[in-house]
Amino acid sequence: LAKTTQPISMDSYEGQEVNITCSHNNIATNDYITWYQQFPSQGPRFIIQGYKTKVTNEVASLFIPADRKSSTLSLPRVSLSDTAVYYCLVGELKMNRDDKIIFGKGTRLHILP
Amino acid sequence: DVKVTQSSRYLVKRTGEKVFLECVQDMDHENMFWYRQDPGLGLRLIYFSYDVKMKEKGDIPEGYSVSREKKERFSLILESASTNQTSMYLCASSLSSRGYEQYFGPGTRLTVT
Repeated sequence: LAKTTQPISMDSYEGQEVNITCSHNNIATNDYITWYQQFPSQGPRFIIQGYKTKVTNEVASLFIPADRKSSTLSLPRVSLSDTAVYYCLVGELKMNRDDKIIFGKGTRLHILP
Repeated sequence: DVKVTQSSRYLVKRTGEKVFLECVQDMDHENMFWYRQDPGLGLRLIYFSYDVKMKEKGDIPEGYSVSREKKERFSLILESASTNQTSMYLCASSLSSRGYEQYFGPGTRLTVT
């Protein structure tokens, strides 16, 4: 399982685009990059997953450079309701005893009015 | 939409009681997971299951057991609850064998007194 590093916290203002970067220098060939959002007292919510280049859905975009050693979650035009903790996970779900799914501490994003 | 439900949002039990936490998913997912989340420690994987009657230990299985008799249902059992098992318990399910795309339930906040 690739170790990930992401900022502990970030502040931004409503209406701005927010980019959260995750470093994963030892990403393996079969690993995917997955992002979750979590609000207080709720379960994490799957946002987006990608393997290379760019993935976009109705919630966010995920940019992955060619070397795949980092990735950037991009949230367009954030609102106050985007205040949450964002987790970056990197790995391949093997579903055996060697699987180590580690959420880490995530990035605490605070959106200001 | 994937729906993962958990039997209780809040639960208070006494030390030594046997506790059952139930999780049901409605999307025919093969994989199901139990996590606990504690302040400062993040989400930690307790057990997971990739098929009916199959289970694998996660990072912190001690003091817990699981049961998966039907595909849609995954139960977490605390054989003899202790105060250090006071926590938020989160169930998740996934279909994909690539990456970590999981869908979480709302969580059960368990207090053991």
